[in-house]
Amino acid sequence: GENVEQHPSTLSVQEGDSAVIKCTYSDSASNYFPWYKQELGKRPQLIIDIRSNVGEKKDQRIAVTLNKTAKHFSLHITETQPEDSAVYFCAARDDKIIFGKGTRLHILP
Amino acid sequence: GAGVSQSPSNKVTEKGKDVELRCDPISGHTALYWYRQSLGQGLEFLIYFQGNSAPDKSGLPSDRFSAERTGGSVSTLTIQRTQQEDSAVYLCASSLALWAEAPYEQYFGPGTRLTVT
Repeated sequence: GENVEQHPSTLSVQEGDSAVIKCTYSDSASNYFPWYKQELGKRPQLIIDIRSNVGEKKDQRIAVTLNKTAKHFSLHITETQPEDSAVYFCAARDDKIIFGKGTRLHILP
Repeated sequence: GAGVSQSPSNKVTEKGKDVELRCDPISGHTALYWYRQSLGQGLEFLIYFQGNSAPDKSGLPSDRFSAERTGGSVSTLTIQRTQQEDSAVYLCASSLALWAEAPYEQYFGPGTRLTVT
């Protein structure tokens, strides 16, 4: 089955700087890669996703890149703001969606 | 429209008792997932239902855990003889479909916080 590794587990970034979170997956058949944001005490919510036929996708300050050969995908947040502080989860789907262990992002004032 | 709902929102039970957790997915969503999230931890996959197919139970941690989905809609996760290590938030998620070009986005419920004393 699919195995998703996510790094780093914790990331502190100065407000206005960029944040990058990286994930690797094991199953080359995986074809869908979502990213979820979970604020304290709330449910995870989708922020961006990418399918295996696309190498990059951008939505305002958030972008995701996918390298199928390396089985690697990354989340990039630019011009970080205090409200970006949360736990971010990557996931990969072969026949079911499996999540990474999460990255706790702290935006420093 | 209504999102994914779960009940109860909180459940405190004594060690050794059985508990049932309920999930109402978004109407029309054929895929339903259960995840477990321990304090400050990630989303641990438990079980996955897709339409009328046999569920994928590969994530269930022990035979004390079981789940069913009646009529392709509501799902119940049952934990028998609860242990303290079962304490966690149990999250349910549903999505529309799984084939190639359909949206896969999962919508999560608010979760059930289970505390085993």
